[in-house]
Amino acid sequence: GAVVSQHPSRVICKSGTSVKIECRSLDFQATTMFWYRQFPKQSLMLMATSNEGSKATYEQGVEKDKFLINHASLTLSTLTVTSAHPEDSSFYICSARVVGGHSPLHFGNGTRLTVT
Amino acid sequence: AQSVSQHNHHVILSEAASLELGCNYSYGGTVNLFWYVQYPGQHLQLLLKYFSGDPLVKGIKGFEAEFIKSKFSFNLRKPSVQWSDTAEYFCAVVAGGTSYGKLTFGQGTILTVHP
Repeated sequence: GAVVSQHPSRVICKSGTSVKIECRSLDFQATTMFWYRQFPKQSLMLMATSNEGSKATYEQGVEKDKFLINHASLTLSTLTVTSAHPEDSSFYICSARVVGGHSPLHFGNGTRLTVT
Repeated sequence: AQSVSQHNHHVILSEAASLELGCNYSYGGTVNLFWYVQYPGQHLQLLLKYFSGDPLVKGIKGFEAEFIKSKFSFNLRKPSVQWSDTAEYFCAVVAGGTSYGKLTFGQGTILTVHP
């Protein structure tokens, strides 16, 4: 079945540094990928929609300059958390859908970001 | 904008008990409905989905859900839970049309099953 690989699974960084998270669709092409954030004891929240070859669409309240999204190919989207702060510590998950057809989203394993 | 509400934040059951997790959504148009499960330490997995047709859908591991359009509900059920069903369950909705793929999640329900 369709597999989405997310890397790294866990990262610890210092405040003020930037962190890049990769999301790859391993055996299918995805023109659209989605980035979610999960706060402790809360639901997943959609941050942005990543579109291959064009600018990402951000949800209200999500800072575009802080969460940089690049979708350079049909199999790779990256999320860069710039100038990270402790409040950015969270669980970030990406998902992708097989192009065409009514197929559900496939999720990556998620990335646990801890900013110290 | 659509929203999804899961009524129970934490459900505790004993093995063999029956399970029903509530999910209601607010959107007047066509929707696609999903239940996802996240086992401890693992990633989200699709449990079942509804796009059209029979409103009673069966998923993996003995789970089923019923779409009741008049009640805007998509409750998840399992006749007899097992200890291995301990996980967090998310109901999700996609509004039809151009926003397909953009999931709106419920708050999640943590299910704890005691052996």
